[in-house]
Order: sequence, then structure tokens, then C-alpha cells
Amino acid sequence: QSALTQPPSASGSPGQSVTISCAGTSSDVGYYNYVSWYQQHPGKAPKLMIYEVTKRPSGVPDRFSGSKSGNTASLTVSGLQAEDEADYYCSSYAGSNNFVFGTGTKVTVL
Amino acid sequence: QVQLVQSGAEVKKPGASVKVSCKASGYTFTAHYIHWVRQAPGQGLEWMGWINPNSGGTNYAQKFQGRVTMSRDTSISTAYMDLSRLRSDDTAVYYCARDLRPYQLNSLDVWGQGTTVTVSS
Repeated sequence: QSALTQPPSASGSPGQSVTISCAGTSSDVGYYNYVSWYQQHPGKAPKLMIYEVTKRPSGVPDRFSGSKSGNTASLTVSGLQAEDEADYYCSSYAGSNNFVFGTGTKVTVL
Repeated sequence: QVQLVQSGAEVKKPGASVKVSCKASGYTFTAHYIHWVRQAPGQGLEWMGWINPNSGGTNYAQKFQGRVTMSRDTSISTAYMDLSRLRSDDTAVYYCARDLRPYQLNSLDVWGQGTTVTVSS
């Protein structure tokens, strides 16, 4: 199972929006609606930000939103804030009880 | 509150085995799958597999089959991950994480603090 493909980096100024892509295949992202997104600050454990493509866990700001089109999922962070600077990883159910993570994207707030 | 607390850092020699524990509290341990994920220094997240604490059933990523064993002790709400024949590229932070929905595979909503495993001669 190959890792999902994410851009290595993305950036935006405070208040702007940034969108991160997560490219998979018709066997994972394209087939299942079990795409999730995780935020990880340096030295910390990942935090679930989006699950089932578009849903936000309790406590996650509505500035974070998820979507999917074909084999590619996306995470959009609107109204960027300094604390949004972190690494972001997508993940998808890949069938046969397996999961796969994306390669990760470092988001910088300029 | 719901939390997962992992065992402390380990230093192992190549060829040895390591066993990491993950103690759950604040929820019904047997209702949620436990996943294991690792992260090598400066690298991304890598999914290793899961255990169903209710049945003891497991599923491992193909890369780790034959080297990893996941187990649990329901009497103390603890999951374990045993990795054998360690190599230097197994040096990583190992996380346990709970699956979001009871009795389903979905996403990882609660994470342990991570356990650093260093493999060095």
C-alpha cells in the first residue's frame, strides 16, 4: 500500500485560506468515505481534525473543513491563525482492514 | 477523561525485541479498536496495524507482518505492541491510538503520548 500524496509545504498569511490536497487511488480515497485529517505540532501527538471526509470532532474550529473529489481529498483552513502552523496528514481506509497515511504537509503561517 | 498512556522510552540493540504498552482509561476498553502508528525522526506517520480489544483479533500492515504482534489484557485495559528483529530503521516514536467509532474502523480520535524506541548498537 503506497502512501497518499500530499504537497510537502503550504503557506498563507494570517486571515487567509490554505488548501492541502491528498491524492490517492480508486482503491482508497476514491472508493471509501473514510478520509481523515490530523494536525501535528512539533514534539506532540497527532490530533484528529476531520473524519469521514467532512466531519469535525467536537472542539475543532469550523475554520477547518474537508472535501473530496474523485481520488483526491482536500483540507481547507480558513482564516489562518498562528496556531495553525503545524504538519498535517491525511489518512484513508484502504480496504481489507488496512489504513494508509499521506506523506504530510507542513503549513507555515507567514 | 478519555486517555491512552504509553510506557516509557526504550533503547534496544539490533536484533532484539521491544514491547510497548498502552493503558486506556475513561471509556469502555473493549468497544474501540486500538491502532499502532509510528513516526521515524523527521518523517511522516506510518500505520502499523490494529487490535480489536473485544475479540483479540488483529490486522497488520503487510510491511510488518511476521515481525509485529499486537495483544491486549482486558483486565487492565491495556494494549501491547511487540516488534521483533529490530533494525536501526525501526528507530521511531510509536503511538497507540483509539478508533473513533465503537466496534468499527474509522479514524483515530484519541492518541497516546508516544514512546520513543531507539535501536542502536
